[in-house]
Amino acid sequence: EDQVTQSPEALRLQEGESSSLNCSYTVSGLRGLFWYRQDPGKGPEFLFTLYSAGEEKEKERLKATLTKKESFLHITAPKPEDSATYLCAVSDSNYQLIWGAGTKLIIKP
Amino acid sequence: GAVVSQHPSRVICKSGTSVKIECRSLDFQATTMFWYRQFPKQSLMLMATSNEGSKATYEQGVEKDKFLINHASLTLSTLTVTSAHPEDSSFYICSPIFAGAPYFGPGTRLLVL
Repeated sequence: EDQVTQSPEALRLQEGESSSLNCSYTVSGLRGLFWYRQDPGKGPEFLFTLYSAGEEKEKERLKATLTKKESFLHITAPKPEDSATYLCAVSDSNYQLIWGAGTKLIIKP
Repeated sequence: GAVVSQHPSRVICKSGTSVKIECRSLDFQATTMFWYRQFPKQSLMLMATSNEGSKATYEQGVEKDKFLINHASLTLSTLTVTSAHPEDSSFYICSPIFAGAPYFGPGTRLLVL
């Protein structure tokens, strides 16, 4: 059964304290893996798409990596404005999206 | 690129009335559109998938006669909540596909009194 698991559920960091969020997946025929951030009361904001193992993408303090079974979202020297819920989703061979439950990230000043 | 708008952003209505939510892709054309709803502190729940010019495909447990989806053009999709009830109060989000990736509208907060 296709499944996406995000960990941890919640993460509290001090400003400047780098860390990583995990998205583990089992899916038949990965078409793509997507990362989003969602702020309360808003729709998810697209961050990255990764298509194949070994691929990496960066945007400001964020870097996403992909292996055959998981993806990491690395956040370097985070700031309070990076606080949000980070969502991971995968698209399977039928282009169906499977969502993780998200990681709530809180950056304390 | 990939800008998505939704209107209205918030709506309050009386029980029994119908509410229409519009979703527009402003700088791209979307053949496929997803509609989600999200309850407080919960994950996105897929309601339906629509392809332009075709009838929408609804997820199990979502009433197609209650949640009417129209995807008549490549830049506009609408979700109409018919005879809304308080349990329909939620955050509704559209998600058109652009370059193979789902993008999201800002969402519509619906409160049914």
